[in-house]
Amino acid sequence: AQSVTQPDIHITVSEGASLELRCNYSYGATPYLFWYVQSPGQGLQLLLKYFSGDTLVQGIKGFEAEFKRSQSSFNLRKPSVHWSDAAEYFCAVVRSGGYNKLIFGAGTRLAVHP
Amino acid sequence: DGGITQSPKYLFRKEGQNVTLSCEQNLNHDAMYWYRQDPGQGLRLIYYSQIVNDFQKGDIAEGYSVSREKKESFPLTVTSAQKNPTAFYLCASMTGNTEAFFGQGTRLTVV
Repeated sequence: AQSVTQPDIHITVSEGASLELRCNYSYGATPYLFWYVQSPGQGLQLLLKYFSGDTLVQGIKGFEAEFKRSQSSFNLRKPSVHWSDAAEYFCAVVRSGGYNKLIFGAGTRLAVHP
Repeated sequence: DGGITQSPKYLFRKEGQNVTLSCEQNLNHDAMYWYRQDPGQGLRLIYYSQIVNDFQKGDIAEGYSVSREKKESFPLTVTSAQKNPTAFYLCASMTGNTEAFFGQGTRLTVV
């Protein structure tokens, strides 16, 4: 069965520091991969997505992610974190073709220290 | 403006009651989803639908029911069989595996 694992429940970084949020997926075929961000009590906003092609994808708000097939990973990065990046981040996967079952990881809550 | 509308934003349910959460989209998306969000558990898939009059159970469908009579609408009923319904519920829609768009959520509380 497909699954998404985000190993880090909480991460705290200082403003201006770099950030990497981990995501591992378990899926037989090549999936479509997404990163979403959620502010408290709100819906989710798409940061970036990977379908095919260049394995390094750029997203909004200065985020990027790298797809590594050999490691089944899709880690999210940002070179310099801003206080406004404090939120919860979700990695998601959907099968490429067929019935569109979209599943999410448990999320990583990011805190930013001034 | 295209988007997804969930209503109500807050909903209170008495023990033993069924309640229905509304989700409407005007994005002309084929697929629609319902998720339940609890602290520390991420988004868990309840039901999803690819086309009108067809839907599939997700990972935690017990105690919930859905219908998809129109492309634009995918209401979720939380039945009395759902023993722990207090949670934040999110609806999403998607087409062609591009990206999922989310509503603003409904917070359901049992009183």
